[in-house]
Amino acid sequence: DTAVSQTPKYLVTQMGNDKSIKCEQNLGHDTMYWYKQDSKKFLKIMFSYNNKELIINETVPNRFSPKSPDKAHLNLHINSLELGDSAVYFCASSLIPPGLAGQETQYFGPGTRLLVL
Amino acid sequence: AQKVTQAQTEISVVEKEDVTLDCVYETRDTTYYLFWYKQPPSGELVFLIRRNSFDEQNEISGRYSWNFQKSTSSFNFTITASQVVDSAVYFCALSDALGSWGKLQFGAGTQVVVTP
Repeated sequence: DTAVSQTPKYLVTQMGNDKSIKCEQNLGHDTMYWYKQDSKKFLKIMFSYNNKELIINETVPNRFSPKSPDKAHLNLHINSLELGDSAVYFCASSLIPPGLAGQETQYFGPGTRLLVL
Repeated sequence: AQKVTQAQTEISVVEKEDVTLDCVYETRDTTYYLFWYKQPPSGELVFLIRRNSFDEQNEISGRYSWNFQKSTSSFNFTITASQVVDSAVYFCALSDALGSWGKLQFGAGTQVVVTP
């Protein structure tokens, strides 16, 4: 019954490791997003996919690679983790019909708290 | 470029007081959408309201109300008769209609602390 789910909820790892965060939505939405929330609570978009196609790719280090196997899933893989990657990562989804981008509400997952030691 | 400013970092009130959160935005687009989200201490982001740029009617939902004024580029949020459960960080966000594919530009958030 969960709309947007993320796994894991918490992730503690060492610098240099590679990790993945998974996101799934059961809302039938076409577009999914990854946002990063830093320690000061500032939220910034990282990526957006529409029907498995990358739409938004903000200035994010290429150690971060999103993958969308189907429109209900958007995973985030992070290579060579650094201390500065510690943050809360939120997945979101929305229904965006062509030509009406921006108007639909984004529903967020519960967040994944990543701590890099 | 889009920008959302929430100048109030933290607001502390005693239960039953009203609290107003300010949000000022900048955009070059004539069509855009404004949102408020709540982030309680548990950490999830909860959608509260969406408003499009052509609808300046104020909205009330229970103890929550929103005042949208295009003339001042503001979309303020008021909690009436605050309760301890209202303690959270509240984010205002802006999305342009075209070309951005729903990219949300968030403000820095306002922490609301309601004490009994």
